[in-house]
Amino acid sequence: DTGVSQDPRHKITKRGQNVTFRCDPISEHNRLYWYRQTLGQGPEFLTYFQNEAQLEKSRLLSDRFSAERPKGSFSTLEIQRTEQGDSAMYLCASSTISDTQYFGPGTRLTVL
Amino acid sequence: AQKVTQAQTEISVVEKEDVTLDCVYETRDTTYYLFWYKQPPSGELVFLIRRNSFDEQNEISGRYSWNFQKSTSSFNFTITASQVVDSAVYFCALSEAEAAGNKLTFGGGTRVLVKP
Repeated sequence: DTGVSQDPRHKITKRGQNVTFRCDPISEHNRLYWYRQTLGQGPEFLTYFQNEAQLEKSRLLSDRFSAERPKGSFSTLEIQRTEQGDSAMYLCASSTISDTQYFGPGTRLTVL
Repeated sequence: AQKVTQAQTEISVVEKEDVTLDCVYETRDTTYYLFWYKQPPSGELVFLIRRNSFDEQNEISGRYSWNFQKSTSSFNFTITASQVVDSAVYFCALSEAEAAGNKLTFGGGTRVLVKP
């Protein structure tokens, strides 16, 4: 399968724990995006990379969130000291510049 | 700031009926892209169509058709002869300019329920 993949698909954690999600983009795509979707809402932009450079972070991305894309391939999104308000679907998308973004299946995070 | 509004939160139809989903957008960019994505119960966003701001031709793909009207800032989506498999949440989205990273702004989504 050559689409965008995300791991894990589901994560349940206790408040205060750290979690890390991984996204593997379509191989020739140099842009990678992270979005967050809460129940009943549309996805909201969090951050994006062009190759290995993180070019923008949304105000939604508090200091507890960090994202990396080493070597411009896969990306990780880490949330430290999780809070119940972090419970959401975290979506990753990839594209070439100015082209359509293709989404992965998402990681559903539940913080107890 | 960009904004996408999908006024219909949920639409319920009987199979074979047509259904039209409304999308209204706001942007100051002169060049932009509009999208429709489908999100079935499995959760993955599936790309349906992309339209750039200079192309106002309507498009038809099988049972799907799209009506882009720049004068009213609308990009509506019609499913003809709906089927149960069309049941999903549909999102309209607007892409910012390339210089802003082509970030997507999504509407709130319209849930379509097609009953047999």
